[in-house]
Amino acid sequence: QAVVTQEPSLTVSPGGTVTLTCGSSTGAVTGGHYPYWFQQKPGQAPRTLIYDTSNKHSWTPARFSGSLLGGKAALTLSGAQPEDEAEYYCLLSYSGGRAVLGGGTKLTVL
Amino acid sequence: QVQLQESGPGLVKPSGTLSLTCAVSGDSISSSNWWSWVRQPPGKGLEWIGEIHHSGSTNYNPSLKSRVTISVDKSKNQFSLRLTSVTAADTAVYYCARDRGRDYWGQGTLVTVSS
Repeated sequence: QAVVTQEPSLTVSPGGTVTLTCGSSTGAVTGGHYPYWFQQKPGQAPRTLIYDTSNKHSWTPARFSGSLLGGKAALTLSGAQPEDEAEYYCLLSYSGGRAVLGGGTKLTVL
Repeated sequence: QVQLQESGPGLVKPSGTLSLTCAVSGDSISSSNWWSWVRQPPGKGLEWIGEIHHSGSTNYNPSLKSRVTISVDKSKNQFSLRLTSVTAADTAVYYCARDRGRDYWGQGTLVTVSS
């Protein structure tokens, strides 16, 4: 089955900008994969930030945005805050009703 | 506001069956949404287990398909997960979610497989 890849870890300075990516072993990620992005802090359930590539929920901070970039799904954080330190996961949907989660990116704000 | 709440035994014996229920409030299980299960072993990443539509259609993770059954109970507005022949590798926090986690998640419940 498909493998979804994410950077294991990234570091961003407070106020800085960072882009997390989500790739697929089957080829380029497109809108047809309906990428989701989740944020998870220790001891908490995941919280959905982005769905269908770039759509935000009412609770999604404006500093987060989703896009497609270089054949991957991307989550960009502009103006990082200390509270953004967390694990971030992407999910891609594939034909045949399958969904695959990436291994997660541990984001450090330092 | 949609809420999901997992419930079930926190301890299951090896080779036994894990059974969890997710109670849904604020939305009808018979809506157009799909209802999912996701798990997370301690200290590890998230894994999609599968999903069900109120029509009874299901999709499962191929790696778990032979051991997983997801069902829906419209009268109770809930859906359930059954995982057979469990081992220590199935120890995890189990989450239920709407539409693969598109928006709403349960708080999660820890299930430990141990004798």
